[in-house]
Amino acid sequence: AQSVAQPEDQVNVAEGNPLTVKCTYSVSGNPYLFWYVQYPNRGLQFLLKYITGDNLVKGSYGFEAEFNKSQTSFHLKKPSALVSDSALYFCAVRDRRGKLIFGQGTELSVKP
Amino acid sequence: DAGVTQSPTHLIKTRGQQVTLRCSPKSGHDTVSWYQQALGQGPQFIFQYYEEEERQRGNFPDRFSGHQFPNYSSELNVNALLLGDSALYLCASSYPTSGVSETQYFGPGTRLLVL
Repeated sequence: AQSVAQPEDQVNVAEGNPLTVKCTYSVSGNPYLFWYVQYPNRGLQFLLKYITGDNLVKGSYGFEAEFNKSQTSFHLKKPSALVSDSALYFCAVRDRRGKLIFGQGTELSVKP
Repeated sequence: DAGVTQSPTHLIKTRGQQVTLRCSPKSGHDTVSWYQQALGQGPQFIFQYYEEEERQRGNFPDRFSGHQFPNYSSELNVNALLLGDSALYLCASSYPTSGVSETQYFGPGTRLLVL
């Protein structure tokens, strides 16, 4: 069975500092990995995805993610955090038939 | 370009009642997936519709049913509501013939409260 895990319920960073939100995956075959962000009382917004190719994926709002096959990880990163980045972040893997399987989410808090 | 839209935004029902939620996909998308997000949890896949057929189903009881119309819009129906059905229901649309690059785009959700 395919799954993703987000080991941190909450991540706290200061504005201007780099941020990392962690995700590890377990899949059979090629992994199709996604990051979404959810603001309070809102739906999910797509940030980026890894399908194949370069291990460093660039996405929306200055976010990027690094795919690491040997560590089965797909961590979300941003060089300089903004207060407006505070939200709930979800990592997901897509199975071969199109279903997304989500992690439990990581709440990111960026303080001024 | 309109994104995914859902209606209503909020809904309050009582146990035993039935509810219908609606979703219009993003322009150009022909596949609709539904997810349930309980408070403090990640979204859980309910089912997916393509060409008016249920293509894949998650681990949800038969009380959850759906439909897709020729214009690709979709409905989620839940019968005999339970308190545990209280959640944010998310609709996502995609264009699966894009192959492995398929990306699901989500609507704002419908918040259902069952009393």
